[in-house]
Amino acid sequence: DQQVKQNSPSLSVQEGRISILNCDYTNSMFDYFLWYKKYPAEGPTFLISISSIKDKNEDGRFTVFLNKSAKHLSLHIVPSQPGDSAVYFCAASFGGSNYKLTFGKGTLLTVNP
Amino acid sequence: DTEVTQTPKHLVMGMTNKKSLKCEQHMGHRAMYWYKQKAKKPPELMFVYSYEKLSINESVPSRFSPECPNSSLLNLHLHALQPEDSALYLCASSQQAGGHLSYNEQFFGPGTRLTVL
Repeated sequence: DQQVKQNSPSLSVQEGRISILNCDYTNSMFDYFLWYKKYPAEGPTFLISISSIKDKNEDGRFTVFLNKSAKHLSLHIVPSQPGDSAVYFCAASFGGSNYKLTFGKGTLLTVNP
Repeated sequence: DTEVTQTPKHLVMGMTNKKSLKCEQHMGHRAMYWYKQKAKKPPELMFVYSYEKLSINESVPSRFSPECPNSSLLNLHLHALQPEDSALYLCASSQQAGGHLSYNEQFFGPGTRLTVL
């Protein structure tokens, strides 16, 4: 049973435009969500996180939105740059077992110059 | 120093070999993790060490044996592996395992690409 779902395997956007990556989850116990970026042959790099008491968190070009009622979160990248091209993983955890991250399958973002 | 380092980068081994993967961090983190990642799949948690004690084993076969010699080092000893164990092995660390949510942001190393022949 996949508890964290990224339904879009890939996304292609033009440089300078907005990239929106989506993630859905099924476990209502999840209370902390993270986004990681991964280049080929490298480990995932932490990007941004959000706790369930918030609905938005912003860090530079990256903003994560959380809709608890819909069990949905999204990562917005504005403006998109070619260097943002990578696989983006959504991950979730819950209180009491915060060390265990459950990952989605990832979305390959391609930003075209 | 905000890096997690892993050695070797690549490893090819036979099914009868014994080898070890090494991971090191100098961020003062007290939780360390081993993950396995197959191609086009998300990372899968294998082990968690918290304050140098094994706190989670995700039903990993005994041919994988973790070791945490001190708070900065994490090893994964490999013995009698199968070809299906070929994967990218990722090490990660976080300030803590549990506690305040932000302490659990995990920082990953570059991984060891393991091929079992």
